[in-house]
Amino acid sequence: DTGVSQDPRHKITKRGQNVTFRCDPISEHNRLYWYRQTLGQGPEFLTYFQNEAQLEKSRLLSDRFSAERPKGSFSTLEIQRTEQGDSAMYLCASSLTGEGYTFGSGTRLTVV
Amino acid sequence: GQNIDQPTEMTATEGAIVQINCTYQTSGFNGLFWYQQHAGEAPTFLSYNVLDGLEEKGRFSSFLSRSKGYSYLLLKELQMKDSASYLCAPTSGGFKTIFGAGTRLFVKA
Repeated sequence: DTGVSQDPRHKITKRGQNVTFRCDPISEHNRLYWYRQTLGQGPEFLTYFQNEAQLEKSRLLSDRFSAERPKGSFSTLEIQRTEQGDSAMYLCASSLTGEGYTFGSGTRLTVV
Repeated sequence: GQNIDQPTEMTATEGAIVQINCTYQTSGFNGLFWYQQHAGEAPTFLSYNVLDGLEEKGRFSSFLSRSKGYSYLLLKELQMKDSASYLCAPTSGGFKTIFGAGTRLFVKA
């Protein structure tokens, strides 16, 4: 297993466009998490899945954000009608329940 | 609610020992992680404390006091490569992890 993979590594988009990111977790991990990180801050929780079930979504997220993990394997994070404030690093992580996270390298989003 | 407090920056000398403190208030507390994050990279797992006391792992040790809502990360024999941000991250019900803003450690020669 090559760890947690995220695609793309970088994304530049115009304000108002939709973007979708993909995360492939470590195959035996049942938990998958999405975080967002801006410069000088720690990762901010967005949502997490146990298998295919989305267990929690941050109240900080607007309805423009949606995440799926349809078969309990890979996950996608979609941002609709992007705004400049959405510019950040989007981190995916996976784990077994109760264990430390393995993070992917992240997708850096720039909204211009 | 969640509240995590750790120093913003620390500077230490190569070969020395440094202690990074963290206080937290978390509902439904399960345990506490420490992660290391180099600039431009993803966080990597360092330690996980569930019970009170000190856990030692090589040059790094982590301490937890659940009753005081307090943890620290101890780094010994500092090396230049230890220059990074160190994230204190308590977990709550469901093992959702909330990260602090991190402590940026600068190791100087």
